[in-house]
Amino acid sequence: DQQVKQNSPSLSVQEGRISILNCDYTNSMFDYFLWYKKYPAEGPTFLISISSIKDKNEDGRFTVFLNKSAKHLSLHIVPSQPGDSAVYFCAASARGANSKLTFGKGITLSVRP
Amino acid sequence: GAGVSQSPSNKVTEKGKDVELRCDPISGHTALYWYRQSLGQGLEFLIYFQGNSAPDKSGLPSDRFSAERTGGSVSTLTIQRTQQEDSAVYLCASSLRGDQPQHFGDGTRLSIL
Repeated sequence: DQQVKQNSPSLSVQEGRISILNCDYTNSMFDYFLWYKKYPAEGPTFLISISSIKDKNEDGRFTVFLNKSAKHLSLHIVPSQPGDSAVYFCAASARGANSKLTFGKGITLSVRP
Repeated sequence: GAGVSQSPSNKVTEKGKDVELRCDPISGHTALYWYRQSLGQGLEFLIYFQGNSAPDKSGLPSDRFSAERTGGSVSTLTIQRTQQEDSAVYLCASSLRGDQPQHFGDGTRLSIL
């Protein structure tokens, strides 16, 4: 039973446009959400996080939105750059527990020059 | 460097052999995690160490898997009598505390022949 779902395996956008990566979760105990970016042969790199007490967190070109009632979060990248091409993982944890992360399967983002 | 260091980066071994994977976390990080990523899958939690507390082993897939963390720093993940389904990338992460973002190493790619 997948508790974190990234239903689209890939996304292709034009350089300069907005990239919107979606993530859904089923476990209502999750209260902390993160996005990681991964290049081939490297470990995931932390991008941005959001606590369940917020509905938006922004860091430069990256914004994460959280809709708790829909159990849905999204990562917006604007403007998209070719260097953003990578696999993006959504992850969630219940911080009152052991803080282990539950990951989605990832989405491959390709930004076309 | 200042990041999480893992060794070896690649390991090829025969079925039935034991393997030992090493993780050197970021200095000062009290929380340490092991995950694995099988082909086409998201990251799967294995084990979590927090300070001197008993580790959370709830993600270990079988009793062939064990891990220890000596002196609150370096950790080793041991897989005994390896099977082909153990082939995966094993990733280590550390965080300042359990409720902070986790930072990953580049992983050990384990191939069982």
